[in-house]
Amino acid sequence: AQSVTQPDIHITVSEGASLELRCNYSYGATPYLFWYVQSPGQGLQLLLKYFSGDTLVQGIKGFEAEFKRSQSSFNLRKPSVHWSDAAEYFCAVGARNAGNMLTFGGGTRLMVKP
Amino acid sequence: NAGVTQTPKFQVLKTGQSMTLQCAQDMNHEYMSWYRQDPGMGLRLIHYSVGAGITDQGEVPNGYNVSRSTTEDFPLRLLSAAPSQTSVYFCASSSSQGRGYGYTFGSGTRLTVV
Repeated sequence: AQSVTQPDIHITVSEGASLELRCNYSYGATPYLFWYVQSPGQGLQLLLKYFSGDTLVQGIKGFEAEFKRSQSSFNLRKPSVHWSDAAEYFCAVGARNAGNMLTFGGGTRLMVKP
Repeated sequence: NAGVTQTPKFQVLKTGQSMTLQCAQDMNHEYMSWYRQDPGMGLRLIHYSVGAGITDQGEVPNGYNVSRSTTEDFPLRLLSAAPSQTSVYFCASSSSQGRGYGYTFGSGTRLTVV
């Protein structure tokens, strides 16, 4: 069965600082991988996704993520955080079968200090 | 383009009552799914559908029913509400086609069972 672990429940960074959110997954083959962001009281917005090919994936809002098969990781990065990035971030793995259902990690809440 | 529309946004039920959460998408997506979100637990899959007339259970299906008579609609029925079903419910849809795959989420329904 597939699973996702986000080791950090809360992270606080200063505005302008770099950010890395960790994600580790378990899946029997090459997975589909996703990062979503959720602002308070809102639904989930897709930041980026990995299917195959180039292991460095660019997303919206200046985010990128790197797929590392040897480490079963798909960490999310941003070089300079803005106050508007404060939100909860979810990593998810998608099954490569009918429905491609997502399994989510528990989420990381990002706080940004001025 | 409305995307994924969920109604209602908020609902309070008494224990034992039944209700239907509505979900509609206008993107002609084959895949649709329902998740519940509880604090610290990320999102968990309730039921999903890979096309009209085809549904299956996810991780936490007990107490919920679904049907999919059209491509556009995927309602979630609570048969006899229990306080444990207090949660935020998200509907999502995705294309099944290659790089078009990636779930789009609705804005959620916040349900309280008293």
